[in-house]
This record gives sequence, C-alpha cells and structure tokens, in this order.
Amino acid sequence: GAVVSQHPSWVICKSGTSVKIECRSLDFQATTMFWYRQFPKQSLMLMATSNEGSKATYEQGVEKDKFLINHASLTLSTLTVTSAHPEDSSFYICSARNVGAGDAFFGQGTRLTVV
Amino acid sequence: GENVEQHPSTLSVQEGDSAVIKCTYSDSASNYFPWYKQELGKGPQLIIDIRSNVGEKKDQRIAVTLNKTAKHFSLHITETQPEDSAVYFCAASNAGGTSYGKLTFGQGTILTVHP
Repeated sequence: GAVVSQHPSWVICKSGTSVKIECRSLDFQATTMFWYRQFPKQSLMLMATSNEGSKATYEQGVEKDKFLINHASLTLSTLTVTSAHPEDSSFYICSARNVGAGDAFFGQGTRLTVV
Repeated sequence: GENVEQHPSTLSVQEGDSAVIKCTYSDSASNYFPWYKQELGKGPQLIIDIRSNVGEKKDQRIAVTLNKTAKHFSLHITETQPEDSAVYFCAASNAGGTSYGKLTFGQGTILTVHP
C-alpha cells in the first residue's frame, strides 16, 4: 500500500509550549488528509479534515485555534498543538487520501506527552 | 452522522482457531468498509476492505462479509496465529466527493491468540 510518514513518532513538551506534527504522503499525492486523536484503549476520533490549499474542516468540539492545521502541498499536512496542556497528551494519527485510488492510508502516529 | 458499533470488545482464541468480529453501521449511504489492525504504539494498518457492491471478499486467512440490508459487516480470521494478536477496528465511509477517506470507526476489538 501507499506510504504515509508521520513525524515525530513521539514528543515530550512543557505545558504552555506548542508542538508541530508533520504528515507526509511519500509516494502519492493527497488532496485530503485527516487528523485523528486516540486515547489509551479507545478508538480513533476524527479531529479535522485537511484539504490542500484551503482551510481545514474541524469536527464538533475540536478547537480550531488550539489545533492548527496547514495543508500547504499535496504531500504535506501539519498539525500544531498550541499552548499545550497535560490534557492534550494523546496519540495523534494522520491519514492521507490517495487521489488516484481514493483509499486512505495511516501514518504511524505521534505520542504527545505534555508535562 | 454515521455510527459504527463493534463487537466483541475483547476476543481470546487458541492458535489455529477462527476469530470473528462483527460491526453494524447506521448510515445507509456508507459504501466503503475497511478493517484495520493496530499494534501497540503504531498507526492502524489496512488489512482488508470491502465496497457495497460486493458481498464477500477474501485474502488468504482473512475474509470480510457485508450484508447491506441488515447494515452488518464482519471480519473472519481463520487459522489464527499469535502474531494476529492486536486491536482490530472496523470503519465505514461514504465514498463520495470530499468525504471519501473520512472514516467512522468502531470501538475496537482486542484480539489475543494464545499459543
């Protein structure tokens, strides 16, 4: 299948700082990328849909000023957690939709720990 | 919106036995149903998917069945092996327009295969 690379795989940051997570489609173009959040032993919850060249669409209850999404190219989307707090600690996962085939493939996830 | 229910939440089998995980969905417009395997600390990996114009699909030891009328779909793993142990998620999507790739996930099933 297609390859989606997410970086970093884990990050520890201090409360109040911002953290940027990158999601790259390595061998295909992705007009749409999705950002999910997953708490321990729970399912994936969609946070937002990122469309190349336009503003992201956020799911209900997700603060767009807290979770900034930028999809500047067909192969890269970034999620910035601003002014992070311990309750933002979670596993963040992106997926990218392959324009050609239409299927969505997942990155390996980023474990964020805010101390 | 779409709602996906997945059962059981945990499943324990002996090596060589079969495992079945079932999901139901609520939105009759959903037409794409992937299954993902997630290992600890990693992103979900697509293992098999089925589209609404097909009733069954098989790939070696893994098969998926779909009953559109009842809005049910199931994952079948035969001849289970210890390396099949993981969390399995079903998902549903309406593969149309910009929503393609936007998945609604089930709650997940922790599968444990005992040697």
